[in-house]
Amino acid sequence: DTEVTQTPKHLVMGMTNKKSLKCEQHMGHRAMYWYKQKAKKPPELMFVYSYEKLSINESVPSRFSPECPNSSLLNLHLHALQPEDSALYLCASSQVSVGHGTQYFGPGTRLLVL
Amino acid sequence: AQKITQTQPGMFVQEKEAVTLDCTYDTSDQSYGLFWYKQPSSGEMIFLIYQGSYDEQNATEGRYSLNFQKARKSANLVISASQLGDSAMYFCAMRETSRSSNTGKLIFGQGTTLQVKP
Repeated sequence: DTEVTQTPKHLVMGMTNKKSLKCEQHMGHRAMYWYKQKAKKPPELMFVYSYEKLSINESVPSRFSPECPNSSLLNLHLHALQPEDSALYLCASSQVSVGHGTQYFGPGTRLLVL
Repeated sequence: AQKITQTQPGMFVQEKEAVTLDCTYDTSDQSYGLFWYKQPSSGEMIFLIYQGSYDEQNATEGRYSLNFQKARKSANLVISASQLGDSAMYFCAMRETSRSSNTGKLIFGQGTTLQVKP
């Protein structure tokens, strides 16, 4: 089973709203990732969690706040976003020290900031 | 710094024919991994195939095969017997090297949009 799920599929929010994106995997992976993808561009890494601890933060603005409550869940809390933050947000997971470290992606959340 | 280059922004292929998507990479590491992903218009990034730098055989997964030429630093994806459902954007990627684990970020090329004609 190589399934990563993400909710919601679509999200529209105003610049003053607070919302959260959720990601879940049941593959026993201990690394989870958030990527941001603009149209017709490759994904850009935002955060990496390894064993539920933040291991990489790619200098993401503080209006994006990640959280990893347990080994299966990854959240991305959004607050005071800007219109340029509108994008597809992809979650991924992988093994940490076994195998090739292939990252398996979820279907993404399409975010529109008005 | 590691880099992935995909020089074909868009390609067309006739249904049932084979197509090759180009990917070249640049790295100073001896050990590295290369990945191909497919992204339909729905947005999900679907893992297709992996090639390790020390793998002696070219990777194959069903209709997908990877033409790995280490000396030329190329890792081209070959799709045989194209189907209409193969129409998508395809990304070549390399994982950034990490000494401690496999959790380095993926470095992506700019992608190639493939359209399969009936």
